[in-house]
Amino acid sequence: AQTVTQSQPEMSVQEAETVTLSCTYDTSESDYYLFWYKQPPSRQMILVIRQEAYKQQNATENRFSVNFQKAAKSFSLKISDSQLGDAAMYFCAYRRGAAGNKLTFGGGTRVLVKP
Amino acid sequence: DADVTQTPRNRITKTGKRIMLECSQTKGHDRMYWYRQDPGLGLRLIYYSFDVKDINKGEISDGYSVSRQAQAKFSLSLESAIPNQTALYFCATSDYRDSGYTFGSGTRLTVV
Repeated sequence: AQTVTQSQPEMSVQEAETVTLSCTYDTSESDYYLFWYKQPPSRQMILVIRQEAYKQQNATENRFSVNFQKAAKSFSLKISDSQLGDAAMYFCAYRRGAAGNKLTFGGGTRVLVKP
Repeated sequence: DADVTQTPRNRITKTGKRIMLECSQTKGHDRMYWYRQDPGLGLRLIYYSFDVKDINKGEISDGYSVSRQAQAKFSLSLESAIPNQTALYFCATSDYRDSGYTFGSGTRLTVV
């Protein structure tokens, strides 16, 4: 079974600074997708970024970027120029291959942003 | 209206009571999921359904049951609630076209 591990329960960052969240996963599959979701206090689950395993290029969405290390099975999220609105729980998630398959989540990392 | 609607938003119930959490969607997605969120454990899959006639257990299905009443409706039942079922429950949808997952806003359930 696939597992996803987030080793940092909580991270703190100063406004405008950069923070990196760690995620490792375990799979024997070659075709899979990785995701980062943000959960603000509103409880909504918001997709931040996704990465296809077959793509070597790291995904980027505005201030959010990933460092995808396939051989190491590592998928970290970097938040640049942190803003107060970035404060939330962040979940790393894995999906095996085909579209529509179920997601497997990590335990989450809480990000605190200090003004 | 939200694409995925969960009711109720919050609920407090007593040990031993039967409770149903409801989920409906307007996305037209064929796949629906129930997840449970606990601190430090992330979201764990309880049940999932790839169409009306296809129901599958997830990793933590004990103590839960589900019903897929229609493509748009997927309900989760706790037959006899116990305190360790206190959690935040999410319904989600997806489809084979990889248009992404859509989550409801969650139901916070407290069993006392």
